[in-house]
Amino acid sequence: EPEVTQTPSHQVTQMGQEVILRCVPISNHLYFYWYRQILGQKVEFLVSFYNNEISEKSEIFDDQFSVERPDGSNFTLKIRSTKLEDSAMYFCASRGGASEQYFGPGTRLTVT
Amino acid sequence: EDQVTQSPEALRLQEGESSSLNCSYTVSGLRGLFWYRQDPGKGPEFLFTLYSAGEEKEKERLKATLTKKESFLHITAPKPEDSATYLCAVDPQSGTASKLTFGTGTRLQVTL
Repeated sequence: EPEVTQTPSHQVTQMGQEVILRCVPISNHLYFYWYRQILGQKVEFLVSFYNNEISEKSEIFDDQFSVERPDGSNFTLKIRSTKLEDSAMYFCASRGGASEQYFGPGTRLTVT
Repeated sequence: EDQVTQSPEALRLQEGESSSLNCSYTVSGLRGLFWYRQDPGKGPEFLFTLYSAGEEKEKERLKATLTKKESFLHITAPKPEDSATYLCAVDPQSGTASKLTFGTGTRLQVTL
């Protein structure tokens, strides 16, 4: 069964460093998303991406965040200068023609 | 602002003891309501999509129902492997690519 994959599973970085989180969405899907979940809190929408551009972004998704689909299979989230409060699980999701989004296993980002 | 409230926060059942989880929502317009299952340290796993009041969906021991203001996830004769956090999310009828607003979840524990 097709699934969304994410790498790395765990990333530890120092405050102020740049990180890139990688996702491979399900192959025939057209809509891509990033969400985050701070420990013990709800899953929060960050950004949606369709047709090689951002469709919508939340207030959380400020100038330190960017997304890219560098080739036909990968979808990345870059955080330019990490802060302590960026520590969270980051989930990639993708959607095909139907309405449901399928989530990856997540990347745990720890900023020290 | 779209809001999703889930209750109870936590629920402990004995194997075979049926119960229901509640999800109440306020959205400007509903494109879809989704139920996901989340195991610790993992990404949300899609269970059901509901689109309109009166709709019901079933899968094994789970049945999801929808009214104009809330959704219920009924668990019939649960087993220990049903232990997980169950998340409710809504997709408001705005924007093209959709985005999910999640509740905080109900943490279900099923014991022998």
